[in-house]
Amino acid sequence: TAGITQAPTSQILAAGRSMTLRCTQDMRHNAMYWYRQDLGLGLRLIHYSNTAGTTGKGEVPDGYSVSRANTDDFPLTLASAVPSQTSVYFCASAERGSTDTQYFGPGTRLTVL
Amino acid sequence: GQNIDQPTEMTATEGAIVQINCTYQTSGFNGLFWYQQHAGEAPTFLSYNVLDGLEEKGRFSSFLSRSKGYSYLLLKELQMKDSASYLCAVRDSGYALNFGKGTSLLVTP
Repeated sequence: TAGITQAPTSQILAAGRSMTLRCTQDMRHNAMYWYRQDLGLGLRLIHYSNTAGTTGKGEVPDGYSVSRANTDDFPLTLASAVPSQTSVYFCASAERGSTDTQYFGPGTRLTVL
Repeated sequence: GQNIDQPTEMTATEGAIVQINCTYQTSGFNGLFWYQQHAGEAPTFLSYNVLDGLEEKGRFSSFLSRSKGYSYLLLKELQMKDSASYLCAVRDSGYALNFGKGTSLLVTP
């Protein structure tokens, strides 16, 4: 079982360009999340989706957008990248239930120059 | 909002026991999680507490006191591979996870 996958693994992007980070899970989890992880700041929630067709804003949503057209995919789009968006991005998913444990993808390392 | 505190760094000796503390102040509480994260890798789930008390899982145990806003992760019989960051996360009433900044544990021979 693949679990949760992310693409690309890493990317260097020029400031002002757009980019979509992909996230796919095969566990049929209802909920999906996007985090960024920065040194000294820990993991911060960008956007989330409790179920297909719905999305919500997390702690740091500005500059990012998401969509949830189906259960498996949860892409994160940077419309016009800025250097402060240089970070490691993790996607996670969880099955709605008693514990709702979140399981993380391998991450995408993004550098915006 | 959420305020989650844990030590930045800890060092312990192989074979020893180490306790990593986490304190939190939250507007809502719906469970506390511990994750392990090795350098360059994704966080992996270790434990979950929603009721007061100790949850034991092999060499790892996690404790929760909701009245004190306090949790700890106990690692026994430390191994070199336990060198990693340990993340404390509190889930609020809206199912979102709020993470502490993590504790970097170094296990020395």
